[in-house]
Amino acid sequence: GAVVSQHPSWVICKSGTSVKIECRSLDFQATTMFWYRQFPKQSLMLMATSNEGSKATYEQGVEKDKFLINHASLTLSTLTVTSAHPEDSSFYICSFSGSTYEQYFGPGTRLTVT
Amino acid sequence: GQQVMQIPQYQHVQEGEDFTTYCNSSTTLSNIQWYKQRPGGHPVFLIQLVKSGEVKKQKRLTFQFGEAKKNSSLHITATQTTDVGTYFCAGPGYSSASKIIFGSGTRLSIRP
Repeated sequence: GAVVSQHPSWVICKSGTSVKIECRSLDFQATTMFWYRQFPKQSLMLMATSNEGSKATYEQGVEKDKFLINHASLTLSTLTVTSAHPEDSSFYICSFSGSTYEQYFGPGTRLTVT
Repeated sequence: GQQVMQIPQYQHVQEGEDFTTYCNSSTTLSNIQWYKQRPGGHPVFLIQLVKSGEVKKQKRLTFQFGEAKKNSSLHITATQTTDVGTYFCAGPGYSSASKIIFGSGTRLSIRP
């Protein structure tokens, strides 16, 4: 399967600050990436679809101005959580689609906002 | 909206016992995927089923896709401690095949 990296693996920030999370595919190129959020003991919730060279598509209820997504190249997508609040504390995971739409996930980023 | 539900939510078994999780979709699916997430880890793709009534096996794991392509199951024979984790089924969204909707998950814990 595809190899996906995410950085940082965990981050603690103060309320009101912004945090950028990077997601990289290491062994293939992808025009589409996905960002998920997972709260403890819950399922994965799709936040947005990141398209290389164009604007991301956000799921209903996800604030695009709060969760800024940039897909600058075929191997890199970034998610910036702006003006973070404690309720944004969660596990953020990116993924790439395989040839039959199977998902290859990054290791995730655990965000804690204090 | 489209929903994918799994039962049970939790399952605690004695090592060596069998385990089954069931997945039900509110809509017909073109395919069903299964993932495993170890505690503290990220989901890992296990398998994809495409055909109605399809059955696939991976060692002690047996995956089945329902005839109506709205339900699926994962059965683990003789569980081992390495099977611990949360198992998710997932299907393509009706608005886009590339958007995957995840089920609610079944968390498996095992008594050694």
